[in-house]
Amino acid sequence: NAGVTQTPKFQVLKTGQSMTLQCAQDMNHNSMYWYRQDPGMGLRLIYYSASEGTTDKGEVPNGYNVSRLNKREFSLRLESAAPSQTSVYFCASSEAPDFGETQYFGPGTRLLVL
Amino acid sequence: GENVEQHPSTLSVQEGDSAVIKCTYSDSASNYFPWYKQELGKRPQLIIDIRSNVGEKKDQRIAVTLNKTAKHFSLHITETQPEDSAVYFCAASGAHSGNTPLVFGKGTRLSVIA
Repeated sequence: NAGVTQTPKFQVLKTGQSMTLQCAQDMNHNSMYWYRQDPGMGLRLIYYSASEGTTDKGEVPNGYNVSRLNKREFSLRLESAAPSQTSVYFCASSEAPDFGETQYFGPGTRLLVL
Repeated sequence: GENVEQHPSTLSVQEGDSAVIKCTYSDSASNYFPWYKQELGKRPQLIIDIRSNVGEKKDQRIAVTLNKTAKHFSLHITETQPEDSAVYFCAASGAHSGNTPLVFGKGTRLSVIA
């Protein structure tokens, strides 16, 4: 099993450009999450999907959209990138939709917005 | 919503000494408390977790204690080794109180000096 995979690993964007970060898991997990990690700020939840067909805002959703394409895949879209969105983005998944289970993280996407 | 405070932000210990990291949470309904370890450039990985019906849990050199009355929980690492050097994150979730995702602390950078 590959676990949680993310693409791309690294991306440079210019202000105003758009892009989609891809995430897939092969563990048949119900819940999936997108976090951003900034120095000294820990992991902040952007959006999550408790189960296939549902998505909800997390702590920092502004400037992002998500799509739960199917049970395996959960994408994060930046419609008009801003320098404040420079960060490391982690996707994660967990088996149960009640959030009281281990979250498995992907390797991360390092995004630089100029 | 839930707020998780983590202290200290940095911690240096001599190899073989113990390390203690403390977290407080605000939502008395939270009942799932995991700890994640993130090595430099890597993804966060769960090292231990505790639920509110348990006061202490131990796994080899790692232990977690929970004080529900005071709303704080702690990670204890004994006989520290250089490979324990990493950033540690605590988190809290109200797993059985209405589907509230994990809220992470801002992390503690632990350095074990050989």
